[in-house]
Amino acid sequence: DSGVTQTPKHLITATGQRVTLRCSPRSGDLSVYWYQQSLDQGLQFLIQYYNGEERAKGNILERFSAQQFPDLHSELNLSSLELGDSALYFCASSAPLKGFYGYTFGSGTRLTVV
Amino acid sequence: ELKVEQNPLFLSMQEGKNYTIYCNYSTTSDRLYWYRQDPGKSLESLFVLLSNGAVKQEGRLMASLDTKARLSTLHITAAVHDLSATYFCAGTGTASKLTFGTGTRLQVTL
Repeated sequence: DSGVTQTPKHLITATGQRVTLRCSPRSGDLSVYWYQQSLDQGLQFLIQYYNGEERAKGNILERFSAQQFPDLHSELNLSSLELGDSALYFCASSAPLKGFYGYTFGSGTRLTVV
Repeated sequence: ELKVEQNPLFLSMQEGKNYTIYCNYSTTSDRLYWYRQDPGKSLESLFVLLSNGAVKQEGRLMASLDTKARLSTLHITAAVHDLSATYFCAGTGTASKLTFGTGTRLQVTL
């Protein structure tokens, strides 16, 4: 167990639907990052939150949104789902170590859109 | 914006032989990370390289960093089947987010 918890592990849904993916960071980590991993696009950065505030944005579609709550857990909302949104979605959290950041990844949520 | 390229994309290795994966990045990156991913699984941290000339070794894997050439290498010594996985390098550039390379899928055969 890495300490980063993602739920659910698997999700199958139909096109046009909306889903919410949840991530709880390691205890004490203030930053949460969301990544999408698909076969054709590799590991793509979506968005970062730091202590409740959006810190950086990547190639995140307008249909996708995220937030980080006061207890530091984060949710990634995906709406109007398309077949191409099928992917493995990872959450990571980070903490400052000795002169660098250590990143810990959750086990991921596998989303299948049918 | 930081771009990270890895090669090769796929590496079929014979057990017992040595191989190298190359990771080139486009702009200054304070840190360079290597991860391993087994199929359908999460990313496992292997190494963090912090400065020019840094070398880290764990078992049959050795990673090095040349910041002037913007190049990191992951060297595999005497490959064994357990090393079959996909390996990613990633940098942070001037941000705190990780930018990943395309990944190198390693397959070790007898």
